[in-house]
Amino acid sequence: DGGITQSPKYLFRKEGQNVTLSCEQNLNHDAMYWYRQDPGQGLRLIYYSQIVNDFQKGDIAEGYSVSREKKESFPLTVTSAQKNPTAFYLCASSNPGLSGEQFFGPGTRLTVL
Amino acid sequence: QKEVEQNSGPLSVPEGAIASLNCTYSDRVSQSFFWYRQYSGKSPELIMSIYSNGDKEDGRFTAQLNKASQYVSLLIRDSQPSDSATYLCAVQSSGGSYIPTFGRGTSLIVHP
Repeated sequence: DGGITQSPKYLFRKEGQNVTLSCEQNLNHDAMYWYRQDPGQGLRLIYYSQIVNDFQKGDIAEGYSVSREKKESFPLTVTSAQKNPTAFYLCASSNPGLSGEQFFGPGTRLTVL
Repeated sequence: QKEVEQNSGPLSVPEGAIASLNCTYSDRVSQSFFWYRQYSGKSPELIMSIYSNGDKEDGRFTAQLNKASQYVSLLIRDSQPSDSATYLCAVQSSGGSYIPTFGRGTSLIVHP
């Protein structure tokens, strides 16, 4: 089955710790994205990558980092510099272009204790 | 700044009725339009995409696009309680990186 997987589903972090969220896709999509969603809010773009070994900052990149060493994988690190990291994190993928619908993974819910 | 506006709701309709969800956007060069459904605690699921003016039907769902009025809507016929969810509108422009802009979503409640 083609799709996007994210792990873990739930993640608890102590203040001051870095954590890495995993995102893997087997849809053969070139582009991958990370979004953050807070309760009652829309999706805010953190980082995106349209090709391997290249990525761009989104609207709220501060306190986050990413890598794109493989086409299938786009991990997100939430660093201690992110002041309010408790949120629902969504990974998506698409093929770039006007008809490039985004498909989302199941999400990771991060809670800072 | 590209903006996509949706009424946050909740929109409450009885079972069997037509639910009408609306979305307006600010970028006149927008070319691609998407509707996602998001159940509480879950990730968004693509339900419709539309690229040209007019209507596009898929089962109980109809997307309507009017580029002159910068307006896209989603109609859900014969609404069911299982349609209760938040519906996100996303708009993509032809220039630049093709990153869609999402609205904040409209909460739909279908009551028996």
